[in-house]
Amino acid sequence: GESVGLHLPTLSVQEGDNSIINCAYSNSASDYFIWYKQESGKGPQFIIDIRSNMDKRQGQRVTVLLNKTVKHLSLQIAATQPGDSAVYFCAEPRGTDKLIFGTGTRLQVFP
Amino acid sequence: DTAVSQTPKYLVTQMGNDKSIKCEQNLGHDTMYWYKQDSKKFLKIMFSYNNKELIINETVPNRFSPKSPDKAHLNLHINSLELGDSAVYFCASSPPTGGGETQYFGPGTRLLVL
Repeated sequence: GESVGLHLPTLSVQEGDNSIINCAYSNSASDYFIWYKQESGKGPQFIIDIRSNMDKRQGQRVTVLLNKTVKHLSLQIAATQPGDSAVYFCAEPRGTDKLIFGTGTRLQVFP
Repeated sequence: DTAVSQTPKYLVTQMGNDKSIKCEQNLGHDTMYWYKQDSKKFLKIMFSYNNKELIINETVPNRFSPKSPDKAHLNLHINSLELGDSAVYFCASSPPTGGGETQYFGPGTRLLVL
């Protein structure tokens, strides 16, 4: 079946380094993707989104890259901080009201 | 000024009991959702409601019954709780832009069935 998935379950980075979280998708017709951040004990929060007519989108310290050829997107976090420690999900709307989440990547930031 | 709120935050109960989780959003959104997150952090949609009408029911057992008294509230009632129901349940809402795109999540209700 179609899925939105992640390559790495856990990513450990040193504070100040850049982080890259990957996501693979299987539906070539997908045209919109969202990254969510879930901190411990909280609900997922929207970080950034990207439409399929774009290859790259930048936010504050975050960049999402979309490679439609290999059906892959990534979330890059610049100068990772302790507050970035969380589980990150890529998600894809399916139909009119459904959001399909990937399996999540835990980002751990150490000093 | 909480956008999406849920009560209770923690719920510990015995197998076989019936329990309810409440959700309210003050964002003026038309669509609300219930998600279940298991111990491996896998997040899966259960239900969605648009303007008090059920839109999505993701093959959830009949023991789960959502109820939307108005478009700002979506409650989840669970009958005959089972051990496998232990999870974190998230309520969410989204604006009427179509596509279930940006969703705003509540803080979650941690349910533990003993």
